Amino acid sequence: GAGVSQSPSNKVTEKGKDVELRCDPISGHTALYWYRQSLGQGLEFLIYFQGNSAPDKSGLPSDRFSAERTGGSVSTLTIQRTQQEDSAVYLCASSVTGIGGADTQYFGPGTRLTVL
Amino acid sequence: AQSVAQPEDQVNVAEGNPLTVKCTYSVSGNPYLFWYVQYPNRGLQFLLKYITGDNLVKGSYGFEAEFNKSQTSFHLKKPSALVSDSALYFCAVRDRGGGFKTIFGAGTRLFVKA
Repeated sequence: GAGVSQSPSNKVTEKGKDVELRCDPISGHTALYWYRQSLGQGLEFLIYFQGNSAPDKSGLPSDRFSAERTGGSVSTLTIQRTQQEDSAVYLCASSVTGIGGADTQYFGPGTRLTVL
Repeated sequence: AQSVAQPEDQVNVAEGNPLTVKCTYSVSGNPYLFWYVQYPNRGLQFLLKYITGDNLVKGSYGFEAEFNKSQTSFHLKKPSALVSDSALYFCAVRDRGGGFKTIFGAGTRLFVKA
């Protein structure tokens, strides 16, 4: 079956511009996660969605970052007024339920964001 | 607060030799523990996880990991390394009583030489 897909695969933008990154989770997965992977660093948790519950936004680094998930499926991560330190690979993952915490997460290929 | 430490940035091993990639964690409660692998130009793939029960967990591609509660460790092992095992390995932890946030380590790059 189809895995997690993300678009675009690469995005180059100028400092100060807004960007939108898209994630299509595996069909039927109710949990969706966003992470950021900076060069030489591990994955940094950003935000988590589970069904219709309020998302866990505790990992968002600033109020320039926001995310939404429409219809319990596709998610968009928006970064406003991008800064050079936002340059990273943004990874999306989904899992069956997320409830209980033992779910295996399935990752997309990522979007490489470069802010000039 | 949850945290994961992978003390080695890089591990080098000869093909056919056993390999160990180290991971220690800190959570306030009981953990779920995971290992993921990232091959060059590919996304992260799940290897194995510890939920409960037997402390020795077997996963994909011949890998296994042992949960050691007293040492708060979850080291990844394989009896005989392959060149194709060369990749970036991430340990991750989730506090089963603390929500759904998963904390990943910084990663360990494994090089297996022929």
